[in-house]
Amino acid sequence: DTGVSQNPRHKITKRGQNVTFRCDPISEHNRLYWYRQTLGQGPEFLTYFQNEAQLEKSRLLSDRFSAERPKGSFSTLEIQRTEQGDSAMYLCASSLGGSGQETQYFGPGTRLLVL
Amino acid sequence: QQQVKQSPQSLIVQKGGISIINCAYENTAFDYFPWYQQFPGKGPALLIAIRPDVSEKKEGRFTISFNKSAKQFSLHIMDSQPGDSATYFCAASKSYQLTFGKGTKLSVIP
Repeated sequence: DTGVSQNPRHKITKRGQNVTFRCDPISEHNRLYWYRQTLGQGPEFLTYFQNEAQLEKSRLLSDRFSAERPKGSFSTLEIQRTEQGDSAMYLCASSLGGSGQETQYFGPGTRLLVL
Repeated sequence: QQQVKQSPQSLIVQKGGISIINCAYENTAFDYFPWYQQFPGKGPALLIAIRPDVSEKKEGRFTISFNKSAKQFSLHIMDSQPGDSATYFCAASKSYQLTFGKGTKLSVIP
């Protein structure tokens, strides 16, 4: 069973450093999503790709955040000049379809701690 | 602005009992209402979902009840088991974007 995979699973960094996370979606899934989850909260939408095109970005995604999905396969999420408030679980999800009602399959997440 | 409100925040149920989690939404444009289950250290996994043209959906021990006029929906877990202990999130979707509630931590005690 090749579900959504994310790497690394954990990342500890110092404030001001840059970090990059990778998401490998389920093969053939055309949609890929990034969410952020803080302790005691539900996931919050960050951004969304259909194939290689980034179609929507939440206002939560400041200028320090950038996401890419080259060739419509894996995706990366980079955070520049990290701040302590960036500490959270970053979740990736993927889906197949175009109705908006298809199941989003989530990966295990990357837990970021900014010291 | 919290578009999906979920209650209770935590729930303790005895094995064999019924667990009930409630959600309310504000945006009438939402057209898909999934429930996700999350275990510690794991990503959320879809449990069951409903569309607003249906008032109830049952899958095994899990049932969603949906009240469109009240803009409320709930998850019922029948015959709750210790293995059901997890955090449950309701969500609502318009197009592709899921909006989640804050979650309910369910503990099923033997």
